[in-house]
Amino acid sequence: GAVVSQHPSRVICKSGTSVKIECRSLDFQATTMFWYRQFPKQSLMLMATSNEGSKATYEQGVEKDKFLINHASLTLSTLTVTSAHPEDSSFYICSAKDGTYNEQFFGPGTRLTVL
Amino acid sequence: LAKTTQPISMDSYEGQEVNITCSHNNIATNDYITWYQQFPSQGPRFIIQGYKTKVTNEVASLFIPADRKSSTLSLPRVSLSDTAVYYCLVGDNDTGFQKLVFGTGTRLLVSP
Repeated sequence: GAVVSQHPSRVICKSGTSVKIECRSLDFQATTMFWYRQFPKQSLMLMATSNEGSKATYEQGVEKDKFLINHASLTLSTLTVTSAHPEDSSFYICSAKDGTYNEQFFGPGTRLTVL
Repeated sequence: LAKTTQPISMDSYEGQEVNITCSHNNIATNDYITWYQQFPSQGPRFIIQGYKTKVTNEVASLFIPADRKSSTLSLPRVSLSDTAVYYCLVGDNDTGFQKLVFGTGTRLLVSP
């Protein structure tokens, strides 16, 4: 199956700083990527849909100015958590849709810890 | 998107067959049923997808009754490494399953 990577796999930052997380589709082009957040022992929660070349679509309750999404190419989407706070500490997972097979492939996730 | 309901948790022993049932009473005509597996601190992994009757692959079987209001994921002879959370999702495959909404999932614990 197709491979989606994320970088970094884990990051620790100080409160008030910004953190960028990259999501790449390694062997296919993804016009659409999705960003999820998962707190411990909870399910994945969709944050936003990232479309190449256009603005991201955010789910209700997700602050677009805090979680900046850029999908500049068909293989890369980035999520920037701005002015991070301890409550932003979570597991962030991206997925990419393979246009050929209509299947979503998930990245390995990024563990963010805000001190 | 159709909402799904699954048991919160299940326990099993190595070598047993495990059946996890998912209810999706409001499933639409174009909706497919997909199951994902997630290990701790990893992204979900696709297990199986089906529309009706029975689908089987190398890791699992998916049983879907005629009314499609439920589905059952069957894992034959589970091992300790099958301990994970299993998610059932339904969505319109014609639109490429654009938006996946995860339910609570079923936490499966396999013991020796």
